[in-house]
Amino acid sequence: ETVMTQSPATLSVSPGERATLSCRASQSVSSNVAWYQQKPGQAPRLLIYGASTRATGIPARFSGSGSGTEFTLTISSLQSEDFAVYYCQQYNNWPSLTFGGGTKVEIK
Amino acid sequence: EVQLVESGGALVQPGGSLRLSCTASGFTFGDSAMSWVRQAPGKGLEWVSGFSGNGDYTYYADSVTGRFTISRDTSKNTLYLQMNSLRGEDTAVYFCAKLQPWVGLDYWGQGTLVTVSS
Repeated sequence: ETVMTQSPATLSVSPGERATLSCRASQSVSSNVAWYQQKPGQAPRLLIYGASTRATGIPARFSGSGSGTEFTLTISSLQSEDFAVYYCQQYNNWPSLTFGGGTKVEIK
Repeated sequence: EVQLVESGGALVQPGGSLRLSCTASGFTFGDSAMSWVRQAPGKGLEWVSGFSGNGDYTYYADSVTGRFTISRDTSKNTLYLQMNSLRGEDTAVYFCAKLQPWVGLDYWGQGTLVTVSS
């Protein structure tokens, strides 16, 4: 099983600042990584797939990068609606999937 | 518009059984890969089970293998999760989600709460 490890667990950022979230896979998953955003009481929402492609309707301030075992989600200028928990997920062996533990982005 | 609506969540005693349902609309259900994902209170997301688009293959997380069974009824556009021998650690909100191959889980339901407690 491929283990996905996210860091940091919590990221404190001021509105308008840049946020950088990391995700590491225990073995290569090529570019088969997605990122999700989840707000309290809501289902997750797909943000990024293929490590770097934004899903439909996702603002350009969200960007993803990486391949192999190291991946990054960057939010260029945090808006109030971006404070949430973010999860990475590998789907290299879909339909078997694994999620990272999540990074909570909170207001500084 | 794609919609996924889960139902069947309840309070159940340890060792008991429960069947969750997920009714789908707005896409070709019979051709789509689907997944169940759960989230324990205050915790992260955990993939539970998956169903291939052609219906030939099912997949399970180690934590539920032998206890949970995923199935579908294409005539009813409904995905199921039969959960047996339930444990306290199965307490969670269970989401069904549509899996787009090589993209990820592109549509999610609102979730249904399963509580395992005596």
